[in-house]
Formats: sequence, C-alpha cells, structure tokens
Amino acid sequence: SQQGEEDPQALSIQEGENATMNCSYKTSINNLQWYRQNSGRGLVHLILIRSNEREKHSGRLRVTLDTSKKSSSLLITASRAADTASYFCATALTGFQKLVFGTGTRLLVSP
Amino acid sequence: GAVVSQHPSRVICKSGTSVKIECRSLDFQATTMFWYRQFPKQSLMLMATSNEGSKATYEQGVEKDKFLINHASLTLSTLTVTSAHPEDSSFYICSAGSGGAGETQYFGPGTRLLVL
Repeated sequence: SQQGEEDPQALSIQEGENATMNCSYKTSINNLQWYRQNSGRGLVHLILIRSNEREKHSGRLRVTLDTSKKSSSLLITASRAADTASYFCATALTGFQKLVFGTGTRLLVSP
Repeated sequence: GAVVSQHPSRVICKSGTSVKIECRSLDFQATTMFWYRQFPKQSLMLMATSNEGSKATYEQGVEKDKFLINHASLTLSTLTVTSAHPEDSSFYICSAGSGGAGETQYFGPGTRLLVL
C-alpha cells in the first residue's frame, strides 16, 4: 500500500501544550499537505509544503519536511480545545493528480 | 476560499436501491474531482478521480459498475451507488482540485450512507 503512516494514532494533551504529529511516506513526492477533520465532517486544508522546502509556518502551525527520511511533522503550538480533531497528512505523488492520505492522528485537547 | 457542497448530507435506503450523491464546487471551476470513502475512525480511501468530460479513473478494487461517476460540468460530479448493500454503508466525501496535479483539494462536508 502507498498509504503513509502517522504517529501517534492518538494524542491527548492539555490546553496550552504543544502537539506534534509525525507522518512517514514511501515514494517520491511533489508536495505534502496536512488536513484537519472534525468528527463526521469534511476535511479542511491546513498547509502545503513542497518537496524543495524544509519548513513552513502558518499561525500556530509549523510543518517540517525531510525528503531524505521521507517524513514530515506537524507542530501545533499553544493548543486549544478547538484544535480537537483528526489530522491527516497527504502526499502528492510525482506525476499523479491524486493525493494519498496517511492513517491519521486523533488529537484531543482538554480544557 | 473555495467551497464544495455535497447533497444529501445523509441518506438511509433499502438494500437493492440506488443512491445518487452530488458534489458541487460553488465558487470555482473544478476540472478534477475526487471521490473518497471513509470508515469510522479510519483514513480516506480514494475511490476514483473524475475529470470533466471524460471517464473516471477508478482505484484498484473499486467496481466501476457499482459506483457510477459522472462529471458532466466543471461544477458538478455525481456518484451513484447502484444496488446498494449494507456493506456499502459508509461516509462518502468528494473533493475538488484547485488546479494542477497534486495541488490543494477542497473537500465537501461528506454524505453518510446507511443501507438497511
């Protein structure tokens, strides 16, 4: 399977703490994206990092990409209860239109 | 931002009937739309890629005669689950591509299908 692996599968933290999620993938990519999904809803795009980029920031989000290790991480700083959701990485494979989604991390932020 | 709608949001049907799900891009033209299936607490599984005006490209293991996809315009794609069975019960999500290959996708809110 081409599907990426994410860890941890589930993460439970307190408000104000940082949350780090990791994603590993298997093949050459054009870019890697992170999405968020609230329970029973569609996905919301968070950030896209291209294969020639190493780090990207957007508000409280920081994404890193290491193409030599075929891995990425998403850091959410100063987490809030509203950040509770599932987070998925998705890789855009070179030469393909489609995205391949990772297994996801379920984040629970307690007040 | 780009908005994608899906209709219906949930549907309950009897086994053997067909169900049509619509996916619309409301404020942009989507040459490519994607259909996914998601089981509880699992990731998204791509079912097919739909390009406007041409036949959909199905992923391995997805029956094209079972899951009919039509992408007749730049703002509408439909997924029809034919002769639905209880095992087809799932959360179906569509997305529309923003532009080139592998770029950001904008997702609909999903359709929950329950087949009795």
